[in-house]
Amino acid sequence: GEDVEQSLFLSVREGDSSVINCTYTDSSSTYLYWYKQEPGAGLQLLTYIFSNMDMKQDQRLTVLLNKKDKHLSLRIADTQTGDSAIYFCAESNDYKLSFGAGTTVTVRA
Amino acid sequence: KAGVTQTPRYLIKTRGQQVTLSCSPISGHRSVSWYQQTPGQGLQFLFEYFSETQRNKGNFPGRFSGRQFSNSRSEMNVSTLELGDSALYLCASSLMGSVYEQYFGPGTRLTVT
Repeated sequence: GEDVEQSLFLSVREGDSSVINCTYTDSSSTYLYWYKQEPGAGLQLLTYIFSNMDMKQDQRLTVLLNKKDKHLSLRIADTQTGDSAIYFCAESNDYKLSFGAGTTVTVRA
Repeated sequence: KAGVTQTPRYLIKTRGQQVTLSCSPISGHRSVSWYQQTPGQGLQFLFEYFSETQRNKGNFPGRFSGRQFSNSRSEMNVSTLELGDSALYLCASSLMGSVYEQYFGPGTRLTVT
């Protein structure tokens, strides 16, 4: 996804918080999404945020949106080994999702 | 409610052959989109179908085509396979055709030898 950028790797200790960052370019995006992909699996919709919101919290997940800077972040509280996966940020336009390259999150004991 | 299903899950084909992949969306969903995932290019949009009509198409050659049936199930076809077509093909369904809440299937892993 050339329009969406993410860092490629994140290593976090079990129990700590993870923060995954993303920048996007399409200011007209209505929704911004976070998807999770485990090995050999499809994409699991984790959460999304409407573009007129600044923050959304959903259990252990917190999404922050800075529309001025086109910056999106996903915070995972109390990271567990089951959170090890690739996380994709995606922006929407009229008909498709544009994805970042994905951030590989590794949770270490 | 059952999720998005894709068949087959794995496929091995030879260069020059053609392949058909199938996707059954979540019950009640009328929009189906297809994406190609490769290590080099990441996730790229192929096309979107809504009520049996292709509404949008990504930047892929004409060898890639698809269709949608009246029950919203969709198929995609790739003709004259090339080595570079090896990828994970993901199908996503949504309720009304917008990108709001797109749910993905497990994908079909296509290997072209």
